[in-house]
Amino acid sequence: DGGITQSPKYLFRKEGQNVTLSCEQNLNHDAMYWYRQDPGQGLRLIYYSQIVNDFQKGDIAEGYSVSREKKESFPLTVTSAQKNPTAFYLCASSSNQPQHPIDLPQHFGDGTRLSIL
Amino acid sequence: ELKVEQNPLFLSMQEGKNYTIYCNYSTTSDRLYWYRQDPGKSLESLFVLLSNGAVKQEGRLMASLDTKARLSTLHITAAVHDLSATYFCAVDTGNQFYFGTGTSLTVIP
Repeated sequence: DGGITQSPKYLFRKEGQNVTLSCEQNLNHDAMYWYRQDPGQGLRLIYYSQIVNDFQKGDIAEGYSVSREKKESFPLTVTSAQKNPTAFYLCASSSNQPQHPIDLPQHFGDGTRLSIL
Repeated sequence: ELKVEQNPLFLSMQEGKNYTIYCNYSTTSDRLYWYRQDPGKSLESLFVLLSNGAVKQEGRLMASLDTKARLSTLHITAAVHDLSATYFCAVDTGNQFYFGTGTSLTVIP
């Protein structure tokens, strides 16, 4: 079945360490997104990519980095510069050429919960 | 800056009652989506609204869109406990998706 796979489900980061969250999709979607969700809060956009080898900063990009070398993959690195990384991270994708209205909304992965050790 | 505001932020309602969640947005768009999020889980797409006057219904939930008023509503009819979740609206501008603040719904017996 088509979908978005995020891994790992849980991740712990030591001080000064960079960690990378994986996001893979087999929906043939062009656009991919990373969001951060803090407890009881909404979604805040970190980075997004509309096409391979191109990405843009969202509202809270500081302390994060991404790459988009393949259409299927959009990994997020949480760097040591991100001083408060504890949150729930959600990856999403969407089609730039939807064939059906059901393809319009973003589809989400199951999320990665990141905590500080 | 585009703003998407939902109200109420928190809603506690008794089973069997009706209520409406509101989603106001500050830009022109004719694409709006509603999502549901269960605690600790990801977001699940509920409704796709693509034009002024669009109305979609699924079970006890009905969503509508008024693009002129920049307003979408999610109406809950005869609430049941299974509807307890957080509901988000999202505005699609064609370039980005902008999410509302979310409405945390608790249905109590």
